[in-house]
Amino acid sequence: DTGVSQDPRHKITKRGQNVTFRCDPISEHNRLYWYRQTLGQGPEFLTYFQNEAQLEKSRLLSDRFSAERPKGSFSTLEIQRTEQGDSAMYLCASSLERWTEAFFGQGTRLTVV
Amino acid sequence: SQQGEEDPQALSIQEGENATMNCSYKTSINNLQWYRQNSGRGLVHLILIRSNEREKHSGRLRVTLDTSKKSSSLLITASRAADTASYFCATDGDTGGFKTIFGAGTRLFVKA
Repeated sequence: DTGVSQDPRHKITKRGQNVTFRCDPISEHNRLYWYRQTLGQGPEFLTYFQNEAQLEKSRLLSDRFSAERPKGSFSTLEIQRTEQGDSAMYLCASSLERWTEAFFGQGTRLTVV
Repeated sequence: SQQGEEDPQALSIQEGENATMNCSYKTSINNLQWYRQNSGRGLVHLILIRSNEREKHSGRLRVTLDTSKKSSSLLITASRAADTASYFCATDGDTGGFKTIFGAGTRLFVKA
């Protein structure tokens, strides 16, 4: 197992375009998290999945953001009609149990121009 | 808003010295975790301390937790240049939610 992987590592897009990121968690982990991190700040929680169920969403997750985890394995995060304020590092993490250590991917750095 | 707040925001020390970082939080917790992040990379879990624990050690790391003061500290002993990174505390509230809340981090620079 190579850990949590995220794809792509970098994405540059024009304002107004849609983007989709993928996260592959550690295979036996049924808990998956998405975070957003801007420069100089800590990660901000976006959403949480337990298996395929999305159990919690942050108010940061506007209508332009949607996340799925269709078969309880990989997850996708889509941002529609991107804005410059969406530029950030998007981090995915997975864990085996609730309130245990989370393993993070390397992140997808999004730049909206 | 972030629940965990780290102090100091930045710390610069010489190799071999000890580094202490503090974290304060606002609500009751089930556990508190510390993570490290090298520039532009993902976070690496360092240590988890549960709310009924007061101190925990892992190698050169020592974490304390004072739930009465809603605070935690991370001590890195005999620091190395490779310890240069940002350090974050993270808390899981006991409100029944699922999210882990991170602070803004302490940026540690260890000079060789």
